[in-house]
Amino acid sequence: DIQMTQSPSSLSASVGDRVTITCQASQDISKYLNWYQQKPGKAPKLLIYDASNLETGVPSRFSGSGSGTDFTFTISGLQPEDIATYYCQQFDDPSLTFGGGTKVDIK
Amino acid sequence: QLQLQESGPGLVKPSETLSLTCTVSGGSIRRSSYFWGWIRQPPGKGLEWIGSISYSGSTYYNPSLKSRVTISVDTSKNQFSLNLRSVTAADTAVYYCARRPDIGAWFDPWGQGTLVTVSS
Repeated sequence: DIQMTQSPSSLSASVGDRVTITCQASQDISKYLNWYQQKPGKAPKLLIYDASNLETGVPSRFSGSGSGTDFTFTISGLQPEDIATYYCQQFDDPSLTFGGGTKVDIK
Repeated sequence: QLQLQESGPGLVKPSETLSLTCTVSGGSIRRSSYFWGWIRQPPGKGLEWIGSISYSGSTYYNPSLKSRVTISVDTSKNQFSLNLRSVTAADTAVYYCARRPDIGAWFDPWGQGTLVTVSS
């Protein structure tokens, strides 16, 4: 089974800061890495698919990059409404696994 | 706009079977270009994929749950279902259903989720 290591597990940043979250896969997963945002009491929301593709309607301050085993998720200017937990998710046909999550809050 | 809605008992006794249904509206579950999946989240913890099913009934399960899980589809009702046998307190979680395209491996959209508590 492929393991996903997501870091950090939590972070505090100021409004307008650049925020970076990383996910590392234990094996090569090509581009098959997705990013979700989850607010308290709500279902996860897809933000980025296939490592770097922005889902329709998602603000452009969110971005993703990487391939193989190392992936990065970036918020280019943190907004108050971005307070949430962010998860990466990998696909190794036919299994899927999620990273442990990163809780983002405002400093 | 496609919507998914989970339904089922909110309380299940230990050793019994957890059964949930996901009703799909705004689109047909028969479309061959999608899979339909279940994901769960224990209180205060992360997400765990349970399994997925195609419209034709092909199933894929998380190896750690495979021995206890059955996912089925009822195209006449535009629903798919989850059965998890021999539950324990560790199965207490919010259970989500979601759609996955066959050209990719992301889930979108998701249902709102339903909390299932395992307790006597």
